[in-house]
Amino acid sequence: QKEVEQDPGPLSVPEGAIVSLNCTYSNSAFQYFMWYRQYSRKGPELLMYTYSSGNKEDGRFTAQVDKSSKYISLFIRDSQPSDSATYLCAMTNYGQNFVFGPGTRLSVLP
Amino acid sequence: DGGITQSPKYLFRKEGQNVTLSCEQNLNHDAMYWYRQDPGQGLRLIYYSQIVNDFQKGDIAEGYSVSREKKESFPLTVTSAQKNPTAFYLCASSIGRVNTGELFFGEGSRLTVL
Repeated sequence: QKEVEQDPGPLSVPEGAIVSLNCTYSNSAFQYFMWYRQYSRKGPELLMYTYSSGNKEDGRFTAQVDKSSKYISLFIRDSQPSDSATYLCAMTNYGQNFVFGPGTRLSVLP
Repeated sequence: DGGITQSPKYLFRKEGQNVTLSCEQNLNHDAMYWYRQDPGQGLRLIYYSQIVNDFQKGDIAEGYSVSREKKESFPLTVTSAQKNPTAFYLCASSIGRVNTGELFFGEGSRLTVL
């Protein structure tokens, strides 16, 4: 079993849709969870950073962590064509292990 | 503007040649990293450095070498010993301790071996 699993997509949605992106992981020691957005041929940029279980909202983006299920999600409301990118989840137990998921490619169609 | 600069953006190499990828940051970050990205795979850590003149191997260090002579600079050499070097290489930095999660990335260097 891979340490972090993520549906590779591609995921295509119409503009305005709610998007749900998900990762599952196996290491229960992970405490900090991140979502990075990567546009084509660019470096990733940090989108959301959360600690432990719960929800965090930032504008149209909501990150959700369920440590009991080892499952994290990123929701995008009112999706825009500019949201078309690859979304990478990442997680760490702060200074020990740090790992990225393989990424989900998202296309938002106008 | 603060950030990470990688060069070159695109690089072609013949088999058997060493190449060096440049990474410079003006964020005053202590930790710097090199990742490799291949289609369908997560970012894989090649090397990282917490302080000047010290660096550690990541998960896939074989065939690569680095140096950290200045805080701002962390060049990566892809040697001829790297069996499959064609990939997208990403340099990153972070404040403080390594592996705390908040990474700042450069725009990447795409290496193609002919």
